[in-house]
Amino acid sequence: AQRVTQPEKLLSVFKGAPVELKCNYSYSGSPELFWYVQYSRQRLQLLLRHISRESIKGFTADLNKGETSFHLKKPFAQEEDSAMYYCALQIQGAQKLVFGQGTRLTINP
Amino acid sequence: NAGVTQTPKFQVLKTGQSMTLQCAQDMNHEYMSWYRQDPGMGLRLIHYSVGAGITDQGEVPNGYNVSRSTTEDFPLRLLSAAPSQTSVYFCASSYFSGGAWNEQFFGPGTRLTVL
Repeated sequence: AQRVTQPEKLLSVFKGAPVELKCNYSYSGSPELFWYVQYSRQRLQLLLRHISRESIKGFTADLNKGETSFHLKKPFAQEEDSAMYYCALQIQGAQKLVFGQGTRLTINP
Repeated sequence: NAGVTQTPKFQVLKTGQSMTLQCAQDMNHEYMSWYRQDPGMGLRLIHYSVGAGITDQGEVPNGYNVSRSTTEDFPLRLLSAAPSQTSVYFCASSYFSGGAWNEQFFGPGTRLTVL
């Protein structure tokens, strides 16, 4: 069965420090992975998807099929990065998303 | 465009009551879905629809019904509310383009408490 695991419920780093949010997945098909973010009092929104290979707000994520991981990274954290982050797996050929448990990131000044 | 809208924002029910959570989108998206968000469990798919007249079950469908009579609307019905259904409910929509499904757009959520 497909599964997404985010091992850290809470992550706290200082402003300017690097940040990495971990995501591991279990899926027998060809994975398509996303990071969604929910800022305080805002809607859940797409941050990035692996096929676009973009850097959004300084964040990047690389799909590692060997390690079945899709970790989210940013070299220098900013206070406005504080939010809830969800990793999600799209089932091949469908639009169904399987979400991880989420990681609440707090950037300390 | 208003995007995805949900009503009500907050609701308190007593055990056994029924109600309908409303979801609408004005983007002409084919796909619509309902999730529930619970602490430590992320978002779990309840029901989804790939077009008017077509619905299917997600991961946690028990206790919920849906219908999709129009492209715009996708209401979620709680038949007999239970305390275990206390949660935040999100509606989302998406579209098919370029041979693939695109990102999901989420509504603001409905916070439901069942006493």
